[in-house]
Amino acid sequence: EDKVVQSPLSLVVHEGDTVTLNCSYEVTNFRSLLWYKQEKKAPTFLFMLTSSGIEKKSGRLSSILDKKELFSILNITATQTGDSAVYLCAVASGTYKYIFGTGTRLKVLA
Amino acid sequence: GAGVSQSPRYKVAKRGQDVALRCDPISGHVSLFWYQQALGQGPEFLTYFQNEAQLDKSGLPSDRFFAERPEGSVSTLKIQRTQQEDSAVYLCASSSGGLNIQYFGAGTRLSVL
Repeated sequence: EDKVVQSPLSLVVHEGDTVTLNCSYEVTNFRSLLWYKQEKKAPTFLFMLTSSGIEKKSGRLSSILDKKELFSILNITATQTGDSAVYLCAVASGTYKYIFGTGTRLKVLA
Repeated sequence: GAGVSQSPRYKVAKRGQDVALRCDPISGHVSLFWYQQALGQGPEFLTYFQNEAQLDKSGLPSDRFFAERPEGSVSTLKIQRTQQEDSAVYLCASSSGGLNIQYFGAGTRLSVL
């Protein structure tokens, strides 16, 4: 059965800290891996990763995929209170289906 | 439209009542997805449309759940005879096709009393 596992489930840090969120997967017919940020509204797209070892970067956020070891990490440097959210990892399998992890709940304290 | 729009944002139903949840995808997006998200969990796939065709409904939890997209644009998820276990956030997402990036609506939070 396809599965996506995220860790940790929750995390509390102070402003300015760096955090690393993990996503491991066991999926048949892997196509891509996506990260989303979910606050009390629509999940917003962060990154799509398809190739191993190529870092995607957007401001203080970055992500990388390891297709050999079947995992991805999302890094956030110099965290701010506005980074507090649930971060979702989703893996695309086959031609259209995405399998989501349970998410990592990040809380950044001022 | 500019984004995926869902209505209502909140719905309280008495057990046994029928509900209808609406999703208006991004204009021109051929693919539309419905997900169910329970508290503290990730979104779980319910069903997938390509234009007006429902290509996969394997995630619908029971025959009380029904989805349609008759003109290939707006979609409605209907739940008949709601039960307490149906309480969840129902998310709609659309994409330009296949495994392209999915853009989500804000969801409908359904509470069944």
